[in-house]
Amino acid sequence: QVQLVESGGGVVQPGGSLRLSCAASGFTFRNYGMHWARQAPGKGLEWVAVISYDGSNKFYADSVEGRFTISRDNSKNTLYLQMNSLRPEDTAVYYCAKGTDFSLDSWGQGTLVTVSS
Amino acid sequence: QSALTQPASVSGSPGQSITISCTGTSSDVGSYNLVSWYQQYPGKVPKLMIYEVSKGPSGVSNRFSGSKSGNTASLTISGLQAEDEADYYCCSYAAGSTYVFGTGTKVTVL
Repeated sequence: QVQLVESGGGVVQPGGSLRLSCAASGFTFRNYGMHWARQAPGKGLEWVAVISYDGSNKFYADSVEGRFTISRDNSKNTLYLQMNSLRPEDTAVYYCAKGTDFSLDSWGQGTLVTVSS
Repeated sequence: QSALTQPASVSGSPGQSITISCTGTSSDVGSYNLVSWYQQYPGKVPKLMIYEVSKGPSGVSNRFSGSKSGNTASLTISGLQAEDEADYYCCSYAAGSTYVFGTGTKVTVL
């Protein structure tokens, strides 16, 4: 079965950087686009970014464009999210999700990122 | 990329049907038949319930159905059950190859 395991979350100061990872198993990773989404404490879901199956196309939410970079290593079945210039409003649980038919059909358990001084 | 608009809460009695609306614009819901719906219990991971407006993934109850008219998509839960009490989010593919989620709706079973 599909398994997605995020890691790399933690506490970081405003302006700092963090890299999240998502280890995938149970499916042919290189065949699927992958997403990052987030959920601030007590708030709704927010889509963050998507990357195509081969990494050639990447798209971002306006709120993170220019600060976050999505990437993948198909040889390691791993998805990444490099987050720079972090702001307090970036505080959230970050989920990676497998993309199928323009939906997010399987989700990881999430990793918490807290941006605070 | 403004969030799609959903009612904050919807409630119904067991056995009833309820409908959750999801209103977007001509740049997202109105232009693409690519709306999906997610169920999320408190503290849990979202689960895909509907994709491409009205298609149900394998294993999801057929009590959940989706539709769309113009800039508004809808999720209907028929034969409401206590286990349906959760938060529900719509999501649409949008211009620029991006995605946008709805504001979320809390469903309460009376």
